[in-house]
Amino acid sequence: GDSVTQMEGPVTLSEEAFLTINCTYTATGYPSLFWYVQYPGEGLQLLLKATKADDKGSNKGFEATYRKETTSFHLEKGSVQVSDSAVYFCAFYTGGFKTIFGAGTRLFVKA
Amino acid sequence: DAGVTQSPTHLIKTRGQQVTLRCSPKSGHDTVSWYQQALGQGPQFIFQYYEEEERQRGNFPDRFSGHQFPNYSSELNVNALLLGDSALYLCASSRDGGGTDTQYFGPGTRLTVL
Repeated sequence: GDSVTQMEGPVTLSEEAFLTINCTYTATGYPSLFWYVQYPGEGLQLLLKATKADDKGSNKGFEATYRKETTSFHLEKGSVQVSDSAVYFCAFYTGGFKTIFGAGTRLFVKA
Repeated sequence: DAGVTQSPTHLIKTRGQQVTLRCSPKSGHDTVSWYQQALGQGPQFIFQYYEEEERQRGNFPDRFSGHQFPNYSSELNVNALLLGDSALYLCASSRDGGGTDTQYFGPGTRLTVL
């Protein structure tokens, strides 16, 4: 069935380090792919999205490229900040009215 | 422009009780979806409402029911509460009948069942 597998956390990095959070998906059809972020005490916020193969979503220095051949959508950022500490969720939507989420990856960034 | 709002913020109930959670969608949105997020997990789809009808349902028992009002706001009802129902309940809204892929989420209601 439809599912998302993402890197287990927590991930702990020092400020200005490079971030990669891996995400792979199993979906029928041609899904739209998302990264959502959940800051402490807040709701889910859409971070970026990509709707077709080879599209690159980007926002706030984060990027992810829709790789259909490997069914992946890895999240990257060149230089993380303390304020990036949050839980990151990879997700997809196939037009069936629901979004499928991964389990989330908690990121801690140390000053 | 107000985003998605939910009430209450927190709720404590005992096993066997019933609870009602409320959601107001983002302005211009006509579709509301509900998700359950257990601690340390990703959100799980409960159901979606459009035009006051339940359009699709996830793998949740009939104890979970909902309603959508003419102003597009929505309620989630859970009967005969179990300890396992303790979770963050998220409401998400979208427009164009849910045909768009992007959903906007509210801050959630934290339900604790004792």
